[in-house]
Amino acid sequence: GENVEQHPSTLSVQEGDSAVIKCTYSDSASNYFPWYKQELGKRPQLIIDIRSNVGEKKDQRIAVTLNKTAKHFSLHITETQPEDSAVYFCAAPNSGGYQKVTFGTGTKLQVIP
Amino acid sequence: GAGVSQSPRYKVAKRGQDVALRCDPISGHVSLFWYQQALGQGPEFLTYFQNEAQLDKSGLPSDRFFAERPEGSVSTLKIQRTQQEDSAVYLCASSPRGSGQRYEQYFGPGTRLTVT
Repeated sequence: GENVEQHPSTLSVQEGDSAVIKCTYSDSASNYFPWYKQELGKRPQLIIDIRSNVGEKKDQRIAVTLNKTAKHFSLHITETQPEDSAVYFCAAPNSGGYQKVTFGTGTKLQVIP
Repeated sequence: GAGVSQSPRYKVAKRGQDVALRCDPISGHVSLFWYQQALGQGPEFLTYFQNEAQLDKSGLPSDRFFAERPEGSVSTLKIQRTQQEDSAVYLCASSPRGSGQRYEQYFGPGTRLTVT
């Protein structure tokens, strides 16, 4: 099955600075990489995803980059705000024809006002 | 429209009791997943349904765990003879498709199970 590693486990940044979270995966056939945000006590929610036919995708202050050769992908948050404070999970699909994904261990992001 | 709902939101069980956790996915969603999330960890896969068929139960920790989705909509995760290590948040997620191109998973709010 897929093996997903995520770093760092915790990240503190000053408000307005950028934050970068990195994940690696093991299955070279993986072709879909979502990122989920989970606020304390809340459900995980998709914030951005990327498919393997593109190298980068942006949505306002959030971007994801994908390096298929190196089998890693990263989440970039610019101009961080206190409401960005949460746990972020990357995920990568397992082989096979259905929707199963494996989640990373999470990064707790703290944005300091 | 309505999102994924789960009940109960909180459950306290004494060691050895049986519990049943319910998931109502988004109407029409083909895929349904159950995850176990320990404190400070990512969701760990338990089992997967495509409509009423349980296609993957490789993540179920033991034969005390059982899941069903008899009519391809509502699902129930049952844990028999609960143990303290079963204490966790149990998340349900649904997705509109079964196979082919990957889609977002929509999560429910979870059921926090505490075994005393």
